[in-house]
Amino acid sequence: RKEVEQDPGPFNVPEGATVAFNCTYSNSASQSFFWYRQDCRKEPKLLMSVYSSGNEDGRFTAQLNRASQYISLLIRDSKLSDSATYLCVVRASGGSYIPTFGRGTSLIVHP
Amino acid sequence: GAVVSQHPSWVICKSGTSVKIECRSLDFQATTMFWYRQFPKQSLMLMATSNEGSKATYEQGVEKDKFLINHASLTLSTLTVTSAHPEDSSFYICSARAGSDSNQPQHFGDGTRLSIL
Repeated sequence: RKEVEQDPGPFNVPEGATVAFNCTYSNSASQSFFWYRQDCRKEPKLLMSVYSSGNEDGRFTAQLNRASQYISLLIRDSKLSDSATYLCVVRASGGSYIPTFGRGTSLIVHP
Repeated sequence: GAVVSQHPSWVICKSGTSVKIECRSLDFQATTMFWYRQFPKQSLMLMATSNEGSKATYEQGVEKDKFLINHASLTLSTLTVTSAHPEDSSFYICSARAGSDSNQPQHFGDGTRLSIL
């Protein structure tokens, strides 16, 4: 089993739709979780950290389920500009704190 | 805040050339920087973890003598691709984390697109 797994998609949704991605992780000692967004041929940009209690930033909601070892990202009222690849990042405690990236989920929002 | 600058953004060189890529944290000190490589339509692959004042930690399969990493200060890490060949053509991205708190997210440079002819 890969350390961090994501459905590569693509998720093809109309503008205004609500879409959700999951990301599962295998290391139960994982402590830090993040969602990044990567546009084509660009560097990843931090979208949001994921906190244990769940957190929201505008149209974006991130949640953590430690029992089932996954994090989720919910995007409401999708915009064309939301089209990108969404990467989840998981980092375990201890050691050198090297983060592990998922392969990313591709989202395409169409008119 | 937390801006990471990477230079150059695009390099086209002949085979056999050595290419140096710089990664700078502009408004924070970065004890640890990471170097990644990404091939088209593939995920980021961690190449090495660069620690200020010490040797870099390379991932399995990454040649230390091929990809030289120097992290001489808290704001600068460099990656040198020595004697580059066409198969080294890729998108190289660095990232840095502010401070020593492992809960802090990484911030990425703009990336360097390397093309070896």
